[in-house]
Amino acid sequence: NAGVTQTPKFQVLKTGQSMTLQCAQDMNHNSMYWYRQDPGMGLRLIYYSASEGTTDKGEVPNGYNVSRLNKREFSLRLESAAPSQTSVYFCASSTRGQNYEQYFGPGTRLTVT
Amino acid sequence: GDSVTQMEGPVTLSEEACLTINCTYTATGYPSLFWYVQYPGEGLQLLLKATKADDKGSNKGFEATYRKETTSFHLEKGSVQVSDSAVYFCALGLNQAGTALIFGKGTTLSVSS
Repeated sequence: NAGVTQTPKFQVLKTGQSMTLQCAQDMNHNSMYWYRQDPGMGLRLIYYSASEGTTDKGEVPNGYNVSRLNKREFSLRLESAAPSQTSVYFCASSTRGQNYEQYFGPGTRLTVT
Repeated sequence: GDSVTQMEGPVTLSEEACLTINCTYTATGYPSLFWYVQYPGEGLQLLLKATKADDKGSNKGFEATYRKETTSFHLEKGSVQVSDSAVYFCALGLNQAGTALIFGKGTTLSVSS
């Protein structure tokens, strides 16, 4: 049982490049989330998907897009990377039956130069 | 709006010292409360949770009691170990479909031998 997996683990981009962060969960969870973690800022929600076929903006959605490909997969895309998007990105999933507690992936460390 | 406030760190302790990390919340309704732990280089893991007033969550020697009258969920441990060095996040769940957990900014704990 892998839980929540994320790829890649590390990535370096140049300003203006694009990339997609991949996330998958094998726990049959309905909801999935993307967060970014920056020093002193805690976790900030970028986008979430309450169920397959729906996505909603979180606290800091600008510069990002998401796709809920199916129940298992939720990807985050940076269309034109900026240095301000240097961060650690975490994907998480949750199910209603456990009071919505979230399960996290190991994170992707992204540096934009 | 709904929010979580936790004490700022870093918290530096010697091994076997007592730990308290304060967490207070603001929420409507009857939220669930969580403590997550993040070890260096890893994602967040659920440490403990409480789903209603006066519940006590416990795990790995850590405890926290859901106090509705003081809107608090303080994390405690009687004797910390070097291996407890990590970042601790308090979080609030609104128990509603389509909502994400609300996280505090995190408290860094450093334990020395």
